[in-house]
Amino acid sequence: QVHLQESGPGLVKPSETLSLSCSFSGGSISSYYWTWIRKPPGKGLEWIGSVYYTGTTKYNPSLKGRVTISIDSSKNQFSLKLNSVTTADTAVYYCASYTGRFFDFWGQGTLVTVSS
Amino acid sequence: SYELTQPPSVSVSPGQTVRITCSGDTLPNELAYWYQQKAGQAPVVVIYKDTERPSGIPERFSGSSSGTTVTLTISGVQAEDEADYYCQSRDSSDTVLFGGGTRLTVL
Repeated sequence: QVHLQESGPGLVKPSETLSLSCSFSGGSISSYYWTWIRKPPGKGLEWIGSVYYTGTTKYNPSLKGRVTISIDSSKNQFSLKLNSVTTADTAVYYCASYTGRFFDFWGQGTLVTVSS
Repeated sequence: SYELTQPPSVSVSPGQTVRITCSGDTLPNELAYWYQQKAGQAPVVVIYKDTERPSGIPERFSGSSSGTTVTLTISGVQAEDEADYYCQSRDSSDTVLFGGGTRLTVL
């Protein structure tokens, strides 16, 4: 059983950088791709990207260029940075463990609102 | 780029059977997964590898696959099944794909 917990600011100004962290426990770091997913209000789930414990990353092409996901294995944490945010980036952001095929454990989610 | 297409909404009376479809060109080559998301909660996988049901998921949930379409079937729907349902797969470049989601309303 993997436990994940998101943390970070709930309000970000337009054009600034959204930064979130996810702390995880209970699983082997090398067993998963550690992943960020978001759900904008009234819309569906969107995969943002994933990072492996080696630092290898994979991003959603629709966000590529604005997103960076990194991992700190010593702290069992991984992070999301999304640049140049707009109101369209307002969403509940989830961190999750990805087996390479599906997501078996999820954090509870954190709402990030982009507003001036 | 590949997409997964779901109906936006379905409705069913308690005790009836409902089928939710997910269509996409990648599905003949990649396995599909179904998630249930209730309001204010994180998604939970209810079907994996097209047809497998995780432990703890009621037997009324089942999955099937045919060509470019996978289907989630809920037999004997209960009020507690009211939720959003998402299919998920991946494409040949390992990009994760989600369907747009289907809102299940239990009348």
